[in-house]
Amino acid sequence: TQLLEQSPQFLSIQEGENLTVYCNSSSVFSSLQWYRQEPGEGPVLLVTVVTGGEVKKLKRLTFQFGDARKDSSLHITAAQPGDTGLYLCVSMDSNYQLIWGAGTKLIIKP
Amino acid sequence: DSGVTQTPKHLITATGQRVTLRCSPRSGDLSVYWYQQSLDQGLQFLIQYYNGEERAKGNILERFSAQQFPDLHSELNLSSLELGDSALYFCASTPGLAGEFYTGELFFGEGSRLTVL
Repeated sequence: TQLLEQSPQFLSIQEGENLTVYCNSSSVFSSLQWYRQEPGEGPVLLVTVVTGGEVKKLKRLTFQFGDARKDSSLHITAAQPGDTGLYLCVSMDSNYQLIWGAGTKLIIKP
Repeated sequence: DSGVTQTPKHLITATGQRVTLRCSPRSGDLSVYWYQQSLDQGLQFLIQYYNGEERAKGNILERFSAQQFPDLHSELNLSSLELGDSALYFCASTPGLAGEFYTGELFFGEGSRLTVL
């Protein structure tokens, strides 16, 4: 069974700092998505990556898909309080079922 | 606004009771997913429906059941409630089914917060 491991589980940093969170699996991903869930709301899609080595940027957020398509990272530059939330990665197993990581809870302190 | 509507937003009930959570997917979306999220936890997949038919089952308890109606709205029924069932229940919809080249987006509702006392 494919599992997605996210690290760290929890991260609290000051506004303006940089950070990276990770999503790893022992299996190859066909594609991978990152969602952000703000307190009291449902998750919202940030990005989808499908090609090994792919890098996508969304303003201050940089998403990278590993060359072997078994890992992904999300880097935030100059974090802001509005970046606070639960960051979830999700992929698909061989039966086309969605597999979710447990998430990284990020708190950006003003 | 994702276009997915969940009701009620909040629900407080007692142990042993039964509740029904309702989800209206985005217009045109055929697939509905139900997830449970306990405090500060990730999403636990419960069940998926596609065009009225059950498509996939996750860790859904026997006390829980769901269905998708011809108008594509879905209901999640939780019975014999226990304290541990207190959680956020999310519904998400997509236009179709995941496939080999699936890169689709799940659109989530705002959730129904269930508190069992």
